[in-house]
Amino acid sequence: DIVMTQSPDSLTVSLGERATINCKSSQSVLYSSNNKNYLAWYQQKPGQPPKLLISWASTRESGVPDRFSGSGSGTDFTLTISSLQAEDVAVYYCQHYYTTSLTFGGGTKVDIK
Amino acid sequence: EVQLVESGGGLVQPGGSLRLSCAASGFTLSNYWMTWVRQAPGKGLEPVASIKWDGSEKYYVGSVKGRFTISRDNAKNSMYLQMNSLRAEDTAMYYCARVSGSATLYNPFDHWGQGSLVSVAS
Repeated sequence: DIVMTQSPDSLTVSLGERATINCKSSQSVLYSSNNKNYLAWYQQKPGQPPKLLISWASTRESGVPDRFSGSGSGTDFTLTISSLQAEDVAVYYCQHYYTTSLTFGGGTKVDIK
Repeated sequence: EVQLVESGGGLVQPGGSLRLSCAASGFTLSNYWMTWVRQAPGKGLEPVASIKWDGSEKYYVGSVKGRFTISRDNAKNSMYLQMNSLRAEDTAMYYCARVSGSATLYNPFDHWGQGSLVSVAS
């Protein structure tokens, strides 16, 4: 199974500052035939189910603020919140969907400093 | 509006059984792969089982193989998770989620229910 490793486990950032979360897969999730990375990012606020933010490593879902961006390819990926807002306090998860295991990273908790 | 509503959770003794249901509305269930994802208290997300739009393919995480069965009834707009031989480590919030796109399992989960809590304890 593909193992997804996120870092850091938690992050404290001042309002308006940048937050960067890393995600590394144990094998490439780039499918060569279509050049797509099978990698998603989710946001989970306390007491709520996860919400899909970004698919295909860098495609923002409809309605997701443009301060959220995804980048990376192959095995190394990054979720960036360019200017942290109070409503962004949450746990963020990466997930691969390259194989049927569909595993998630361990999560990164983002808080306000 | 897409809605997924789970039900059937509760407190059960080790070795017992529960059947979770996921009622879908706002979309044509028969066009989508669906999945169950669980989250133990204070822990991360774990995909448990996935089922093809016609029920012909099913995938399970290793820890539940032989104990859990995923199924669906598209005519009733519902998906199910039969959980047998429950263990303390199965204690979690169980979410049903829709796999985006319609052709394959290899897509992200674009809609989630609010979850159903399963507690396994004596």
